[in-house]
Amino acid sequence: QPVLTQPPSASASLGASVTLTCTLSSGYSRYKVDWYQQRPGKGPRFVMAVGSGGIVGSKGDGIPDRFSVLGSGLNRYLTIKNIQEEDESDYYCGADHGSGSTLVYVFGTGTKVSVL
Amino acid sequence: QVHLVQSGAEVKKPGSSVKVSCKTSGGTFSSYAIDWVRQAPGQGLQWMGRIIPVLDMVHYGHKMQDRVTISADKSTNTAYLELSSLRSEDTAVYYCARRAHGVFDIWGQGAMVTVSS
Repeated sequence: QPVLTQPPSASASLGASVTLTCTLSSGYSRYKVDWYQQRPGKGPRFVMAVGSGGIVGSKGDGIPDRFSVLGSGLNRYLTIKNIQEEDESDYYCGADHGSGSTLVYVFGTGTKVSVL
Repeated sequence: QVHLVQSGAEVKKPGSSVKVSCKTSGGTFSSYAIDWVRQAPGQGLQWMGRIIPVLDMVHYGHKMQDRVTISADKSTNTAYLELSSLRSEDTAVYYCARRAHGVFDIWGQGAMVTVSS
C-alpha cells in the first residue's frame, strides 16, 4: 500500500501563500489524494481531492477560492493563497488503496500550518 | 442537509469493549459507505475501516481487524464501531465519515473513548 509523506509543519505570514506537499511512495503516481483540514479542537473537514491532472471533483463545502491543488509525479500539492488566521490548522492527505476485499485507506501524518 | 450524529463520550476499563454509533440524518443511508477514523490525543488520523450498507460489505484496517467490528442497521440509518480488548492506547476520538464521490464529505462530531483503570 502507498505511504503518504507530509512535512510536519509549515508557516506563512498573514496574507502570504503556503504550499503543502503530500508525497506518494514510489509506484503510486496515478493515485488521487484527498486533503482534509482540521482546525484546533475540531473534527476534520474535506478540502478537495487532487490527482496527477489536478483537482478531482468539487471543493468541499465552504472552502474558499484561496485554496487550490496541483498534482505532479508523486507529489500532490495544496496551496493556500492570502492565508488567513482561520486557515491555521492541521492538514492531512489521504488515499484509497486496493479494491474488492483488500481495500484500505491511508492517511499522511499531517502538516501543522501556522499563520505568523 | 445530511448530518452524522455520534454517540457520546465513554470511559472504559482495560480489557472491556466499547460500541460507538453513528446515525445518519437528513439523507439516504444505504447508498454510501461509512468509514471510521480515530485520532489519539495529539496524534494524526488513523483509518479503521469501512462499511458499505447497500452491499453488506465491510473492510478493516490491517492493524485493527482482530479487535474491530463494524456493522450497520439500515432500519435506523445507523452504523456502529465496536472495539474489543481495550487498552490504554485505544484512548482516542473516534469519528465516522460518509464516503461519497470518492471522498469523506461529511464527518460526525467525534466520540471520545477513554480507556483507564
